[in-house]
Amino acid sequence: SQQGEEDPQALSIQEGENATMNCSYKTSINNLQWYRQNSGRGLVHLILIRSNEREKHSGRLRVTLDTSKKSSSLLITASRAADTASYFCATGGSYIPTFGRGTSLIVHP
Amino acid sequence: GAGVSQSPRYKVAKRGQDVALRCDPISGHVSLFWYQQALGQGPEFLTYFQNEAQLDKSGLPSDRFFAERPEGSVSTLKIQRTQQEDSAVYLCASSFDRVGGQETQYFGPGTRLLVL
Repeated sequence: SQQGEEDPQALSIQEGENATMNCSYKTSINNLQWYRQNSGRGLVHLILIRSNEREKHSGRLRVTLDTSKKSSSLLITASRAADTASYFCATGGSYIPTFGRGTSLIVHP
Repeated sequence: GAGVSQSPRYKVAKRGQDVALRCDPISGHVSLFWYQQALGQGPEFLTYFQNEAQLDKSGLPSDRFFAERPEGSVSTLKIQRTQQEDSAVYLCASSFDRVGGQETQYFGPGTRLLVL
């Protein structure tokens, strides 16, 4: 079973545009993480936000967390073709993170 | 290299064959996870080790799946009598901390298993 659910399932944009993807979860968490997976590769950790944080930035990435709505969003600004990948949220309530099904992002050059 | 490595990268097995998948975590990492990822899905938890102790194996789909980490570093996931539904990518991840998935996990490239 997967606690986190990303939305949309697929997103197609032009290079330079911003990409926003959302993650909703069901039970209380200690932290939430976002990962990227390029086709045929393992997952790469992007950012971790703890339950007492509301917003976090890393380069062109901005993550928000709303624990009252049990949701998080990942914003990628000024997207590049190299950002084409699947993006997963992982919620950490216990020691086992649970992953959603991911958002498939395509950035057209 | 300094990352998590997995071998083999690709494995084709005939139904009924046994397979062994290897994971070399980052040196010094305490926690090690195995995940199964079906096509178009997110990783699904299989099992978790803290050093050599297998603390959770609740995600293993059947008793045909077995994992070990005898010296607290390299881990092996073994699948006996493979079935077609075992076809998936098997991901290994490690983290430095002792609280498992509450910190950053570093993933290997995965082993893509195809059972014919």
